[in-house]
Amino acid sequence: ETGVTQTPRHLVMGMTNKKSLKCEQHLGHNAMYWYKQSAKKPLELMFVYNFKEQTENNSVPSRFSPECPNSSHLFLHLHTLQPEDSALYLCASTVTGVTGELFFGEGSRLTVL
Amino acid sequence: AQSVTQLGSHVSVSEGALVLLRCNYSSSVPPYLFWYVQYPNQGLQLLLKYTTGATLVKGINGFEAEFKKSETSFHLTKPSAHMSDAAEYFCAVSVDTGNQFYFGTGTSLTVIP
Repeated sequence: ETGVTQTPRHLVMGMTNKKSLKCEQHLGHNAMYWYKQSAKKPLELMFVYNFKEQTENNSVPSRFSPECPNSSHLFLHLHTLQPEDSALYLCASTVTGVTGELFFGEGSRLTVL
Repeated sequence: AQSVTQLGSHVSVSEGALVLLRCNYSSSVPPYLFWYVQYPNQGLQLLLKYTTGATLVKGINGFEAEFKKSETSFHLTKPSAHMSDAAEYFCAVSVDTGNQFYFGTGTSLTVIP
């Protein structure tokens, strides 16, 4: 248990579906991250939120839409995805302003058919 | 710009043998350095970190790493490999408390019985 909870752990969706991934942290952190991890590829940073404000959008296609209603919750809304979007999506959090590490969730395994 | 290089995408060792996973970084300022481990279909878990002070850092599961500024390295070692050490290992660097993290491409460790 790392303190960062991701749901669902597994998701299968068609290309026309709309679904959402949820991340929740109870660590008192102010920064939250979405990473994409595809097979045989490096970890890709997607989005960063700091005190609910988006501070990083790493040229992510608009079919991925993040939402951060507060510092404890982060969502990734998915619509009209492509099969190449199938991957493990990792959420992480940390406290900015200190030399702390990222705390990761267990990930959401997404399969797009 | 910061970057992290992990030499060897795959490393195999015999059970009981020394584990050595290499990490080199580039940074124009003193870095904060991290090693993470990832088991299949799970998130990344912190093994150890270097921020300041003693350059030899001990982590969980018997791992340790040494920060060598002159070599810009932060190699991960364990004296005796165990079957349970088989996993993916990631080196990461952060260079300021704004918490931008840069990850290496990972090294897959196989432990041979």
